[in-house]
Amino acid sequence: GDSVTQMEGPVTLSEEAFLTINCTYTATGYPSLFWYVQYPGEGLQLLLKATKADDKGSNKGFEATYRKETTSFHLEKGSVQVSDSAVYFCALSSGSARQLTFGSGTQLTVLP
Amino acid sequence: SQTIHQWPATLVQPVGSPLSLECTVEGTSNPNLYWYRQAAGRGLQLLFYSIGIDQISSEVPQNLSASRPQDRQFILSSKKLLLSDSGFYLCAWSEWKWDTIYFGEGSWLTVV
Repeated sequence: GDSVTQMEGPVTLSEEAFLTINCTYTATGYPSLFWYVQYPGEGLQLLLKATKADDKGSNKGFEATYRKETTSFHLEKGSVQVSDSAVYFCALSSGSARQLTFGSGTQLTVLP
Repeated sequence: SQTIHQWPATLVQPVGSPLSLECTVEGTSNPNLYWYRQAAGRGLQLLFYSIGIDQISSEVPQNLSASRPQDRQFILSSKKLLLSDSGFYLCAWSEWKWDTIYFGEGSWLTVV
């Protein structure tokens, strides 16, 4: 079945540091890939997505590129802010599924 | 634009009491609707999804049930809550042709 493996946390960075959160996946066919962000006490918000190989999703300074050859969708940001502190979830959807398969989430804390 | 609302935001219920969480979506027709649970440790578990009125699939057998009395209304219920039902419950929706899933604000349930 489909699965998502993402980097174990927690991750603690200083403000303006470079962020990478690794995500790899296993899926049949050609899944769509997503990053969701969950701020403390809130629901999940879609951060970015990519629907085919070599697509780059981007939003709020975050980027992730759909790499079919390495089955990866790593999240990056060049300069993190304190307000980026949250839990980040990588997820995929396969064509025939009616649900998302989520990774376990990575807690990011950015210190001033 | 589409919006999703769920309520109540916070609920403290004794063991053995009933539960009703409600979710509504505005600005779209015939959406797919979902209930997820997020227990301590952040993992997301799909509980139910629905592709139409009275069409509900259960992903995890348990003492919870879901109903969809109207096109854009999704209700999560229990007749008798267990301590293990405590968690953060998230309603979500996607377009009928399905691509991206969007989440509500979440409901915190504490069973005491």
